[in-house]
Amino acid sequence: DSGVTQTPKHLITATGQRVTLRCSPRSGDLSVYWYQQSLDQGLQFLIQYYNGEERAKGNILERFSAQQFPDLHSELNLSSLELGDSALYFCASSEGQGYGYTFGSGTRLTVV
Amino acid sequence: GIQVEQSPPDLILQEGANSTLRCNFSDSVNNLQWFHQNPWGQLINLFYIPSGTKQNGRLSATTVATERYSLLYISSSQTTDSGVYFCAVSRGYGQNFVFGPGTRLSVLP
Repeated sequence: DSGVTQTPKHLITATGQRVTLRCSPRSGDLSVYWYQQSLDQGLQFLIQYYNGEERAKGNILERFSAQQFPDLHSELNLSSLELGDSALYFCASSEGQGYGYTFGSGTRLTVV
Repeated sequence: GIQVEQSPPDLILQEGANSTLRCNFSDSVNNLQWFHQNPWGQLINLFYIPSGTKQNGRLSATTVATERYSLLYISSSQTTDSGVYFCAVSRGYGQNFVFGPGTRLSVLP
C-alpha cells in the first residue's frame, strides 16, 4: 500500500455521462497531481493542486475539472464522456522538494 | 517543454540476465524518478535520484545530471521484473513530472 488511495478502482460508464474520481494523498502530503494514461498517449499530466489551490495545468480538457478539499483529498470530475476518455487515471502525492511522487493504484475508466 | 527519451523501447531477457535501461532528457532538471509499472498497472516508485548513484537490492540507478541522462541497472533479472519502466523528470520544486515513453521489459523463465 503506497498510502495514496484512489477510488473507485474500476468504472464503466456510457458516453455522455459524468463521473467523479477520488484521491486521498499520503498523510502530510500537500501536493496532489492527476495523470491520464491511455494506450496511445502515455502518461500525461492533467492538473496539480497544492494545499487546496490549483498550481499547474497540463493537457486537461475543458470537460474535465478537479478540486482539492480542506482535508486535502482531491476529486477529478469528467463530464460528457467520450470513448476516447477511456484510460487509467492516476493520482500522485508529494511531500515536497526532494521526495518525488507516490502514486495511487489508479482508476481504470471504460467508456462504452 | 522538457523532452524525455528512453531506450530501448522493448527488451526481452532470460531469467538471470542483467540489463541497463537509459533515460535521456533535453534540459536541466532538479528531480528525476524511476518507476516500474507492473502487469496489473500499478506504478511503483523505484528511485528518486536527481543525481548520483543509489542501490536497492538487485536494482541500482545512476544519474549524471550535467550530461542529462540516467541509467537503471537490473541484475539477475526475475520474471517479476517484467513490466514497463518509466523515467520521469521535472525542473523544480512543485513542478509536475514529465514521463518518458517507457521501456517494456519481458523476463522469460
